[in-house]
Amino acid sequence: DTGVSQDPRHKITKRGQNVTFRCDPISEHNRLYWYRQTLGQGPEFLTYFQNEAQLEKSRLLSDRFSAERPKGSFSTLEIQRTEQGDSAMYLCASSRDGPSSTEAFFGQGTRLTVV
Amino acid sequence: GENVEQHPSTLSVQEGDSAVIKCTYSDSASNYFPWYKQELGKRPQLIIDIRSNVGEKKDQRIAVTLNKTAKHFSLHITETQPEDSAVYFCAANWKGSNYKLTFGKGTLLTVNP
Repeated sequence: DTGVSQDPRHKITKRGQNVTFRCDPISEHNRLYWYRQTLGQGPEFLTYFQNEAQLEKSRLLSDRFSAERPKGSFSTLEIQRTEQGDSAMYLCASSRDGPSSTEAFFGQGTRLTVV
Repeated sequence: GENVEQHPSTLSVQEGDSAVIKCTYSDSASNYFPWYKQELGKRPQLIIDIRSNVGEKKDQRIAVTLNKTAKHFSLHITETQPEDSAVYFCAANWKGSNYKLTFGKGTLLTVNP
């Protein structure tokens, strides 16, 4: 599968623990996005990288959230001191630069459950 | 900010019938409108998109129409099949952004055999 891949697919953690998710975009895509999706809702934008530069962070991303893309390839999303309200599906997406930059392709997501 | 309203939230049709899902958006700067299909437990998949320089786009049984004046766009699926059953999301690019999408809340389409 040469699409966007995310790891792990599922994560159950206790409240207060830290978790880290990984996203590997499609190889020729230099744009990478993180979205969050809760039950019955559409994905909500969290953050955007162009290569290794994080160019925008949503207000949804509190100080407990941090995302990195150190070499402009894979990205990690870390949540510190998890809360029950963090339970959601975390989706990563990637796209090319240029005229088709808005055509985002999603990974299968990491489902986080905070107990 | 951008607001995307999607209707209906659920839609049930008989196999072979047509299905129409409608979305409205608030930001006149939006110029890119994709539709995603998400099957249970799977990733959202881009199925069709339209840019503001055209009013309609078709791809086999799927078509999307855009009315920029009224700020609404619609997904039309003809000759529906059971495998069309999924949640469909519309989206619009935020303030004409070339990277940020705002999504509707989704429509659960059920195609009954």
